[in-house]
Formats: sequence, C-alpha cells, structure tokens
Amino acid sequence: KQEVTQIPAALSVPEGENLVLNCSFTDSAIYNLQWFRQDPGKGLTSLLLIQSSQREQTSGRLNASLDKSSGRSTLYIAASQPGDSATYLCAVNNNAGNMLTFGGGTRLMVKP
Amino acid sequence: NAGVTQTPKFQVLKTGQSMTLQCAQDMNHNSMYWYRQDPGMGLRLIYYSASEGTTDKGEVPNGYNVSRLNKREFSLRLESAAPSQTSVYFCASSEDRAYEKLFFGSGTQLSVL
Repeated sequence: KQEVTQIPAALSVPEGENLVLNCSFTDSAIYNLQWFRQDPGKGLTSLLLIQSSQREQTSGRLNASLDKSSGRSTLYIAASQPGDSATYLCAVNNNAGNMLTFGGGTRLMVKP
Repeated sequence: NAGVTQTPKFQVLKTGQSMTLQCAQDMNHNSMYWYRQDPGMGLRLIYYSASEGTTDKGEVPNGYNVSRLNKREFSLRLESAAPSQTSVYFCASSEDRAYEKLFFGSGTQLSVL
C-alpha cells in the first residue's frame, strides 16, 4: 500500500527565504504527483502536477522536482512571501486510476 | 467562475440523524470525488464517479452513499450519522481522471454529537 510522508509537519521562515518542502512515497511505481496548497478553512488548490516521465515542473516562484527511483519529490519556493503561508500537500497517483494517496501536509508560515 | 460549490459549509448533527451534502461543478468535468480530511489521517477518498451514471467506492466508503444526479452534481448522504463521521468533507472534480488536475470545493465542516 502506498504511503506518502511529508516532513516537516510545520515550518516557520522569515520573508525572503528560499525554502524546500519534502514529500516521500514508498511505492516508486507512480503515474504522477501533484502538489496542492490549502489555506485555513478552504479547499485545496492544485499548484503543480508532475508526470512520472518528468523531472520537474515550474510555475512562477514554485518549482517541483520528482525522483521516482528514490521515492521523493521536493517543492521549492523562491523568495518566500507572507502570502505563501498555507499548508502544502503532495499526492501521488499510482495507476492512472481514480485514487490519490495524500501526504499529511507541511504547514508553512512566512513571517514578515 | 464558481468552480466546485459545496453546501452546507457547516453542519451539526446528532448521532443517528441523516443528511445530504451537495456538490456541483460548472467546468463540464466528467469525474467527481468525495474526500474526508481528518487530523493525522490526511485526505481519504470516500466515493468517486468517473462519469455520469457511475459511482465507485474509495478507501473509506462505509456509512456513506452517493448519487451522481447529472454531470454537474454529486451528492454524499449519511444515512445514520456517527461521531466517527465528524470530519471536513471535500468535493472535487477533474476533467477525466484523478491523474489530471483536481479542483476542490471549499469544504463542509461536519460535527456529529
């Protein structure tokens, strides 16, 4: 059974810092991986989706990388801003089906 | 742009009561999903509908029923609520399959006393 882990569970950084969020998964036979952002009391917003054949995806200040063989993905946030404060979740799809396995999330706080 | 709309936003039930959570999307998506989010457990799939007229069980379907009323609407029903069903419920949709980008509603916070 696929298990997805995100460490650390919480992170607090000063504004302007570059930071990396980690996601690890136990079964490397994934179809793709998505990174989501969740603001308090809100639903999830998809940030980046990486196919298994891809190494990375970029959107603005966000860059997500994927290393299938080691079962890891990282989300890099450049020049962090207070507006980046949220919980970030990763989710993997194993067989191009309808099941996603989510990690527990990293709660990020960027201090002004 | 409404996206995925869920109602209600908050609900308190007594054990044994029933209720239906409503979800509608206006993106002409084929697939719709119901998830629950619990502290320490992450998001878990309850039921999904890959297309109008079809529904399938997810990881935690016990105690729930669903109806895909039409392409836009996908409802989740609790027939006899239990305290273990206290959770935040999210509806989501995707154009075709879950391996595509998912769009989520804002959630329903449900408490069962």
